Amino acid sequence: DAGITQSPRHKVTETGTPVTLRCHQTENHRYMYWYRQDPGHGLRLIHYSYGVKDTDKGEVSDGYSVSRSKTEDFLLTLESATSSQTSVYFCAIRNINTEAFFGQGTRLTVV
Amino acid sequence: QKEVEQNSGPLSVPEGAIASLNCTYSDRGSQSFFWYRQYSGKSPELIMSIYSNGDKEDGRFTAQLNKASQYVSLLIRDSQPSDSATYLCAVNPHNTDKLIFGTGTRLQVFP
Repeated sequence: DAGITQSPRHKVTETGTPVTLRCHQTENHRYMYWYRQDPGHGLRLIHYSYGVKDTDKGEVSDGYSVSRSKTEDFLLTLESATSSQTSVYFCAIRNINTEAFFGQGTRLTVV
Repeated sequence: QKEVEQNSGPLSVPEGAIASLNCTYSDRGSQSFFWYRQYSGKSPELIMSIYSNGDKEDGRFTAQLNKASQYVSLLIRDSQPSDSATYLCAVNPHNTDKLIFGTGTRLQVFP
């Protein structure tokens, strides 16, 4: 398995609180991605990174921010969690012109 | 128009039959195409990648790419009940580092 770890695996949080999800890789891959997966919507891209401190928005970036201060870590932050952000979040890593590999996912519930 | 489109299914096939899964994409310049399988509650796992027109075979799986018609398909020969899962098509659009997924097709293989 690709060396990619997401933490936490499960989290329940209250509306309005900040939440940070972590993605850690040991593969030295250039690209890192955050997706959310909801029934009927498949995997939707939130943000991605193409290098240290280089990030860009995906299709559903509102309400989310990211940071990548080291090659191995890509953080996803919900500044003020809302119930609509209840979802399963997947991190993926990829090198240039190669396949992406996914972490185990984080199930986030906002109550 | 969505960037990557798939029929959500379910596609039901009997054991031993050929399952045919289809995916269309909107960016004509897209270069890289991937098929992932996702079991319920698990993370997506790579089945195949394809980069040039034509067929690519790997065991019971064949990926087919037609850039002129902007579609990519996955054939599963001798389908088994263990192939029952959601199959996700992913595309790397031209001149971006994004990896865009379709909503997935649910495949059911019945004995």
